[in-house]
Amino acid sequence: DSGVTQTPKHLITATGQRVTLRCSPRSGDLSVYWYQQSLDQGLQFLIQYYNGEERAKGNILERFSAQQFPDLHSELNLSSLELGDSALYFCASSVAAGGHEQFFGPGTRLTVL
Amino acid sequence: AQSVTQLGSHVSVSEGALVLLRCNYSSSVPPYLFWYVQYPNQGLQLLLKYTTGATLVKGINGFEAEFKKSETSFHLTKPSAHMSDAAEYFCAVSGASGTYKYIFGTGTRLKVLA
Repeated sequence: DSGVTQTPKHLITATGQRVTLRCSPRSGDLSVYWYQQSLDQGLQFLIQYYNGEERAKGNILERFSAQQFPDLHSELNLSSLELGDSALYFCASSVAAGGHEQFFGPGTRLTVL
Repeated sequence: AQSVTQLGSHVSVSEGALVLLRCNYSSSVPPYLFWYVQYPNQGLQLLLKYTTGATLVKGINGFEAEFKKSETSFHLTKPSAHMSDAAEYFCAVSGASGTYKYIFGTGTRLKVLA
């Protein structure tokens, strides 16, 4: 158990819908990262927050957004969902903004029908 | 830009044989390097990391990796494979861009034959 929690574990929804994925980092970790894992794209970095502020952006679509709240939990919002958005979404946390290992949550499996 | 190449998307070894999973990286500045393991339907677990210092890094479950700057490699090894090592292994690099986001390789699925 990494100490990072993600909810829900599974999510099944239809095209065009909007969903929110939630992540709680390990106690004391200030940095949260979101990754997408799919068969065709592999593991891709989406976005990083550090202590409530966006720190880095990766291959995140404009239909996706994220935020980190004062209690340091983070949410990833996915809207206007397409079939291709079906993937495993991981959240990871680390103590500082960088240079440290990241601890990964169990992931949320999103299926878009 | 940083990148990671993992040679061999699938590797099979016999139980008790040497495990060698290859990782080459590209980075314009000294990198931080990591190996993670992913078991089916689970998240990623850190096996070992290289940041600075000793180039031979020992991790959990008997794995180790050696950072070779001249070869831009960070290969993962284990002297004797166990059935429980069957999983997918990911090499990752960070550190060059200032944000420390991970760039992952495409992964290597390790199969251990009885």
